[in-house]
Amino acid sequence: GQQVMQIPQYQHVQEGEDFTTYCNSSTTLSNIQWYKQRPGGHPVFLIQLVKSGEVKKQKRLTFQFGEAKKNSSLHITATQTTDVGTYFCALDYNQGGKLIFGQGTELSVKP
Amino acid sequence: DAGVIQSPRHEVTEMGQEVTLRCKPISGHNSLFWYRQTMMRGLELLIYFNNNVPIDDSGMPEDRFSAKMPNASFSTLKIQPSEPRDSAVYFCASSPDPRGIVSDTQYFGPGTRLTVL
Repeated sequence: GQQVMQIPQYQHVQEGEDFTTYCNSSTTLSNIQWYKQRPGGHPVFLIQLVKSGEVKKQKRLTFQFGEAKKNSSLHITATQTTDVGTYFCALDYNQGGKLIFGQGTELSVKP
Repeated sequence: DAGVIQSPRHEVTEMGQEVTLRCKPISGHNSLFWYRQTMMRGLELLIYFNNNVPIDDSGMPEDRFSAKMPNASFSTLKIQPSEPRDSAVYFCASSPDPRGIVSDTQYFGPGTRLTVL
């Protein structure tokens, strides 16, 4: 079956530092989505990556999809306290609309 | 748009009681998902529907759990009898995906925090 690993599990940074979370799959993906969940909140869609090697940016957030479509990363430049939350990758293995969520990376930002 | 609506937001019950969680998806969305979130197991997909038909229930823990979608605007997740290990946040999500083939953005409801004593 499909194995997904998201690392790190936790990341504590000083405000202004960069942050990266990685998502790795044991098998090739159809596409990947990223979600953010604020403390006490619900997951909110950030972006979807479909093409091999794709890079997308949203302000300070940069999302990459690996050439082999087996891994992805989310990088935040110069973190702010508003970035606090848990970031999840969600993997599509072309199983009819179903997503498999990674374990999530919890980001805390110290002002 | 009101977004995905879930009720109740909080539920505290005693072991052995029946629990029913409710979800109203975003109007026009064709897919509906039920997830469970715990610290230990993360965000798990329990079951999902496309056009009111259950497509994949492989994540449903056991026979104590059941889900229905009688129409396009309503779904329930029932636990009978409930156990303390069922304590978790249960999320409902909906997606516009009209064909149930490719994944589409999922819009999550606020969740129901269930505590079974």
